[in-house]
Formats: sequence, C-alpha cells, structure tokens
Amino acid sequence: KAGVTQTPRYLIKTRGQQVTLSCSPISGHRSVSWYQQTPGQGLQFLFEYFSETQRNKGNFPGRFSGRQFSNSRSEMNVSTLELGDSALYLCASSLVNGRSTDTQYFGPGTRLTVL
Amino acid sequence: QKEVEQNSGPLSVPEGAIASLNCTYSDRGSQSFFWYRQYSGKSPELIMFIYSNGDKEDGRFTAQLNKASQYVSLLIRDSQPSDSATYLCAVWWNTDKLIFGTGTRLQVFP
Repeated sequence: KAGVTQTPRYLIKTRGQQVTLSCSPISGHRSVSWYQQTPGQGLQFLFEYFSETQRNKGNFPGRFSGRQFSNSRSEMNVSTLELGDSALYLCASSLVNGRSTDTQYFGPGTRLTVL
Repeated sequence: QKEVEQNSGPLSVPEGAIASLNCTYSDRGSQSFFWYRQYSGKSPELIMFIYSNGDKEDGRFTAQLNKASQYVSLLIRDSQPSDSATYLCAVWWNTDKLIFGTGTRLQVFP
C-alpha cells in the first residue's frame, strides 16, 4: 500500500506571497493532520480534517488554512508569507478520525523556504 | 511547564548498549502514547505505541508507561549505529490533538 504523499517536496517563496501544499493520505485513511516543524519549536499541530470537515485546530494565525476533498486528499494554504513560516510542513494520515486510538503516519514533508 | 518534555540530548551510547529515552507529560488524562523516530532530513516514522501501564516490547524496543507518574520511556536494546536519530515522544491530548515533545537526539557510536 502506498504511503502518504506530499507535493511539492521543496518550495522557495518570497515574503508576502502565498503557497498551497498538497497531501494524499494512505488509501482508506480518512483523517489528515498537518504539522509545522522548525528547529526551535519542534513539531506543532496546525489542523486536522476528517470527512471534509476541520475537526481540530492548533494555535496558528488565520493565514494558515486548509481543506479536505471528498477523496480525503488535503491541501493547506499559507497566505502573506513571513520569514518565520520557513519550516518543514508535514502531513499525517490516520485510519478513522484522528482519535486517541488512531496511529498517524507521516508523509515525507514539504520544505518551505521564505526569502 | 511544557506539555510534553524530553531531554534534547544528545544521548551518546556505545554500540550494543541499552539506550534509555524518557518523556514526561502534563495532562493526567492522556490515554495514548507514541514513539516516533526521525532521521535527519526525513519525516517521523512510528516505532510503537502504548496505551496501558507497564511494558510493551517489540523486537529491540520496549516502551514503558507509568500514568501515575506521567512518564513514558523507550528502551532500545543492542543499540546500533543505524539507531542514531531523533526520537519523538507524542501524547494524545484531551483536546484531541497529538502533542509532540521536541525530541531526544540519540548517537550510537561503534
């Protein structure tokens, strides 16, 4: 079974631009979570989607948004990019709905650099 | 107090030794605990999860959970240089989020 895929793998943008990242979960998985990973803060939860609905959200500004499609694929968007948005963005999928007995499997990540 | 705390390391152990990685968490109601391994430049990969107090073994890995002390650990027996990586402890929070520690860097030297 194919794993979680993320596109693009690398991205370079300038301040003020916007970016859209894509995630395809493992086949059959319906929950998709997004995380930001930076050297200083570690892995931080952005949001989680299940059945096209945002079920949970972390403490990030409104510039960070996401959505999920009927085939469970998910996108996240960051508008008005800032230098501090440079990070590895990770998507994780799980079978059911992101509840405590679910196991999350990570994609390879998208490395975003903001200049 | 941080929600999930880990010693950043590096923890250096010789090849063949037991590596002991520790994690404490502040939410007494947490029920599920996960250990992920992350090689430099790669994404986290699941090693194992534990839900019940006590020990859970999987090959060279043993997870230990003590809910009363709010403590979870990972033991790696017969450590190999290929085990050198950052180990992330993750705790399922009562707000339905998976909260990660900042990770412990493990170095296994020949």
